[in-house]
Amino acid sequence: DAGVIQSPRHEVTEMGQEVTLRCKPISGHDYLFWYRQTMMRGLELLIYFNNNVPIDDSGMPEDRFSAKMPNASFSTLKIQPSEPRDSAVYFCASSFGQGSDEQFFGPGTRLTVL
Amino acid sequence: GENVEQHPSTLSVQEGDSAVIKCTYSDSASNYFPWYKQELGKRPQLIIDIRSNVGEKKDQRIAVTLNKTAKHFSLHITETQPEDSAVYFCAASGYSTLTFGKGTMLLVSP
Repeated sequence: DAGVIQSPRHEVTEMGQEVTLRCKPISGHDYLFWYRQTMMRGLELLIYFNNNVPIDDSGMPEDRFSAKMPNASFSTLKIQPSEPRDSAVYFCASSFGQGSDEQFFGPGTRLTVL
Repeated sequence: GENVEQHPSTLSVQEGDSAVIKCTYSDSASNYFPWYKQELGKRPQLIIDIRSNVGEKKDQRIAVTLNKTAKHFSLHITETQPEDSAVYFCAASGYSTLTFGKGTMLLVSP
């Protein structure tokens, strides 16, 4: 397995534009997590899915953020409209189980909003 | 919810020295405590984990200890090498998701 795949690896956009980040989890993993990493706030869980169903989105900072998982092999995180404070590295991770199973992280998407 | 505190935020050691990173957690129901290593520009990767029925676990130069009574756990790296330089994150989880500490930047000087 190639591991968790994310695209794009880097995204530079202007304030107000829509941004879509993509993730392909490891095959057979039932859980998918979206994290945001910044120097100030560290690794923050934004939302997670179980069997394609969103379970907890309490970490999503605002209504500008939305996430979907239309099938077991694909998820998107969308920011509309984007703002400079959204600049961060966004990681997708997947695991076989929930709390006590290893989470495998993707390479991340470095987002810069000008 | 769970709250994880990690110290120190930065740790500088000489090659060959030992390094210790400490974490405390708030939820007594937490029973899984992984440690992740993140090299510059890379993704976090699991290096060792411990579950609440175990007090200590070792893997070569790395060891983790857990004190459930005090609600703290620690990462110990012996005989540090320059390639150990990275950011280390502790995390805690019960039935729910992982909560991460803020990270410790470990710098190992040759």
